[in-house]
Amino acid sequence: DAKTTQPPSMDCAEGRAANLPCNHSTISGNEYVYWYRQIHSQGPQYIIHGLKNNETNEMASLIITEDRKSSTLILPHATLRDTAVYYCIVHSGGYQKVTFGTGTKLQVIP
Amino acid sequence: DVKVTQSSRYLVKRTGEKVFLECVQDMDHENMFWYRQDPGLGLRLIYFSYDVKMKEKGDIPEGYSVSREKKERFSLILESASTNQTSMYLCASGYGQRDWHGYTFGSGTRLTVV
Repeated sequence: DAKTTQPPSMDCAEGRAANLPCNHSTISGNEYVYWYRQIHSQGPQYIIHGLKNNETNEMASLIITEDRKSSTLILPHATLRDTAVYYCIVHSGGYQKVTFGTGTKLQVIP
Repeated sequence: DVKVTQSSRYLVKRTGEKVFLECVQDMDHENMFWYRQDPGLGLRLIYFSYDVKMKEKGDIPEGYSVSREKKERFSLILESASTNQTSMYLCASGYGQRDWHGYTFGSGTRLTVV
């Protein structure tokens, strides 16, 4: 797996957009960018993924740069329930191990 | 919804005991994974399996083994538990081909070795 780099922690005011960055400069052409989050004492939960186009679902938006070396997860209106650790990973699926780093701890502040 | 079920939420074992952590998934996924999570170290991959009776070492396999006799079940085995294996253990599963919705995790087993 290509490695990813994320800031260890971020704060965001409740109701504002949370923008979580991720660097993946060694990503290969067939690797997707996936985002997960882990709320305290639970297993990680899938949020969104993309290859090269921007993606949006009911939870978040994913912006991937044109060179695919970095991406940003956007939570448009952060709530206190979005306080969690967010993981950015890259993999091509299939028979490949999936490696997580330490993620970004997002604290949403009232 | 896909479910990944880990047999125990909390477990306390003595040093030297043989420990079995069980994981069952109900969506016919080919791939299954075992991770451990420790403060400040994130999720670290112990073992994974992409088919019945197949297994591959992850990043930290020492002190662990695994068993996958049936597609839906992936067991993590601590042959002789030690205190440094006190941790949160997470199981995950996913399709072998491109997995459009990522991997699904269980709720975790918090193991304490005393």
